[in-house]
Amino acid sequence: DAKTTQPPSMDCAEGRAANLPCNHSTISGNEYVYWYRQIHSQGPQYIIHGLKNNETNEMASLIITEDRKSSTLILPHATLRDTAVYYCIVRSPNNNNDMRFGAGTRLTVKP
Amino acid sequence: DTAVSQTPKYLVTQMGNDKSIKCEQNLGHDTMYWYKQDSKKFLKIMFSYNNKELIINETVPNRFSPKSPDKAHLNLHINSLELGDSAVYFCASSNHRTNYGYTFGSGTRLTVV
Repeated sequence: DAKTTQPPSMDCAEGRAANLPCNHSTISGNEYVYWYRQIHSQGPQYIIHGLKNNETNEMASLIITEDRKSSTLILPHATLRDTAVYYCIVRSPNNNNDMRFGAGTRLTVKP
Repeated sequence: DTAVSQTPKYLVTQMGNDKSIKCEQNLGHDTMYWYKQDSKKFLKIMFSYNNKELIINETVPNRFSPKSPDKAHLNLHINSLELGDSAVYFCASSNHRTNYGYTFGSGTRLTVV
């Protein structure tokens, strides 16, 4: 599996957009980019995933660069409840590779 | 209805005991997993089960054994508990070979004293 690199921590002001970067320069063609978050030792929560097109759902937007070597998770209007550790994972569903979590980015949303 | 449920939520036990953690999913998924999150907060996969077959068995001690009576359940049995087994254990489920994500349970905090 390709590995990912994320900043260890970020701050964001409440109500502003939170932009969380992820580098995955060795991603292969059949690997998807997944984002999860974990709020204070709760179970990880799926946010969004994509292959090469940008994706949006009710929680967030995922912007993947054209070369697919990096992506950005965007929380458009961060709230205090978005404070969590955010994990970026690349994985191919076509084999037995499973979700492997790195250290993630600890996002702190401040009032 | 909770999609992936684990019991118990908290478990405190003495060294040397044998304990089980139960996991059930009502999503109709065909694959279930166990993850361990230690005190340093790293989430590591331990096992996955697909159609009652073990697909991945990470290098965990053989004191840990997953048991799946059916597709909706994957229990984790731990023999001869050690202090280092103290962690939060998460169960998850998915449909194998699809691009959808995993659904996680809320975790079981195991403390070995």
